[in-house]
Amino acid sequence: SQQGEEDPQALSIQEGENATMNCSYKTSINNLQWYRQNSGRGLVHLILIRSNEREKHSGRLRVTLDTSKKSSSLLITASRAADTASYFCATPSSAGGTSYGKLTFGQGTILTVHP
Amino acid sequence: ETGVTQTPRHLVMGMTNKKSLKCEQHLGHNAMYWYKQSAKKPLELMFVYNFKEQTENNSVPSRFSPECPNSSHLFLHLHTLQPEDSALYLCASSQNMGGNTEAFFGQGTRLTVV
Repeated sequence: SQQGEEDPQALSIQEGENATMNCSYKTSINNLQWYRQNSGRGLVHLILIRSNEREKHSGRLRVTLDTSKKSSSLLITASRAADTASYFCATPSSAGGTSYGKLTFGQGTILTVHP
Repeated sequence: ETGVTQTPRHLVMGMTNKKSLKCEQHLGHNAMYWYKQSAKKPLELMFVYNFKEQTENNSVPSRFSPECPNSSHLFLHLHTLQPEDSALYLCASSQNMGGNTEAFFGQGTRLTVV
């Protein structure tokens, strides 16, 4: 079953605006990761936030994590046309055995930033 | 450039062909993965290798056969595929399999089965 689910499925904004994407997950985690994917290419890791962290920044990115609500958000400030991509959250499985640590991805949010 | 290289980038094959996808990483990582990405579906984990040993086969049909000759190289051998196997196949690596570090992905192989 899918662990991370992003919301919204698609987001269209103008350059300069902020973009916020949300991720919900079902089971307990020790970290949550955000990735970006340009059309038809590989995923690029953006940021990892651990379960004991509430907020993390990297450049124009801000990620929050609320473990009580099992949710995370990714904020991109002052968006640029080059930010157009799909954004995924991923959580490693905390289940035992061979499932331990496997990353499970959501379906992603497609972000379009218009110049 | 993520340090994970996949070849070929594009592949068109008939249902009776045999082909192989190659993945190479020189990041010193111990875990390597194959993922399948189909349109409108989440990434599906296919295989996991940790220190060259296969630790996961996520109910993948036998027409997909992985091979990991060493910790830097991973192959996916394909034979008698179906049109529904057309997808983007992504290779990834991580320092270890614990999920506490990020995964580095290759650019993918866009596979079309005709």
